[in-house]
Amino acid sequence: EAQVTQNPRYLITVTGKKLTVTCSQNMNHEYMSWYRQDPGLGLRQIYYSMNVEVTDKGDVPEGYKVSRKEKRNFPLILESPSPNQTSLYFCASRISGTYEQYFGPGTRLTVT
Amino acid sequence: AQTVTQSQPEMSVQEAETVTLSCTYDTSESNYYLFWYKQPPSRQMILVIRQEAYKQQNATENRFSVNFQKAAKSFSLKISDSQLGDTAMYFCARGAGNTPLVFGKGTRLSVIA
Repeated sequence: EAQVTQNPRYLITVTGKKLTVTCSQNMNHEYMSWYRQDPGLGLRQIYYSMNVEVTDKGDVPEGYKVSRKEKRNFPLILESPSPNQTSLYFCASRISGTYEQYFGPGTRLTVT
Repeated sequence: AQTVTQSQPEMSVQEAETVTLSCTYDTSESNYYLFWYKQPPSRQMILVIRQEAYKQQNATENRFSVNFQKAAKSFSLKISDSQLGDTAMYFCARGAGNTPLVFGKGTRLSVIA
C-alpha cells in the first residue's frame, strides 16, 4: 500500500530534550516536506526536500533541522525543543512536477 | 509571500443542504494547481478535489465541485447533499513552480442533523 508513515504519532517531552520524528514514504517520491499545524494558522511549511541531499527552508524553519540521506526518509529533528514547538506535525511527499501531496497521519508533539 | 485566503473560519449547514466554502489566492505563475483538502477529527489530510489552472472546466468529484474563476483568483468548493461525515476542517491549497504547497488557514464545517 502506498503510504507515508510517521513515528511517533504522539510525543510528550520536556524543554531542551532532543527528539527526532521519522518520516518514510514507499512511493519513490522525490519531493518531501514537513508542515506544522496550529489552530487558526493552517499548515505552515517547515522544511522541504526536492531530492536526496537537497533541502531548503520553508516558512517557519527556526528550531528545526532535517536531513535527506535516502530518498524514502526525511526525519525532522528538534535539537532543543521549546513549548512554542507544541504542535501537530505532518510529513508529506509528492512526485516532482505534480502538486498532489500524500500526507502522513500526523504527530502530536507536546513540549512542557 | 504569496498567499491563500479562506475568509470563513467556521460554517454550518443542515444535512442534505448545499454549502459553499470560499478561497482566494495569489500567484505570479501562469500554470498552477489548486486543491481542497479535508481534515476530519481523525486529523488525516484527505484530498477532496484538484483543479489545474490551464483547464477551464470546473472539477467535480461526486458531491464536491469547484467554481474556479481564474481572473478573480477564486476557487470555491461546493458540497451538495451535505452529510454528517462531511463535518471537518477544509483547507484550500495552491501549488506552483517548484515550491511547496501553500495552504489557507482553513474553514471548519459542521453538518447539523
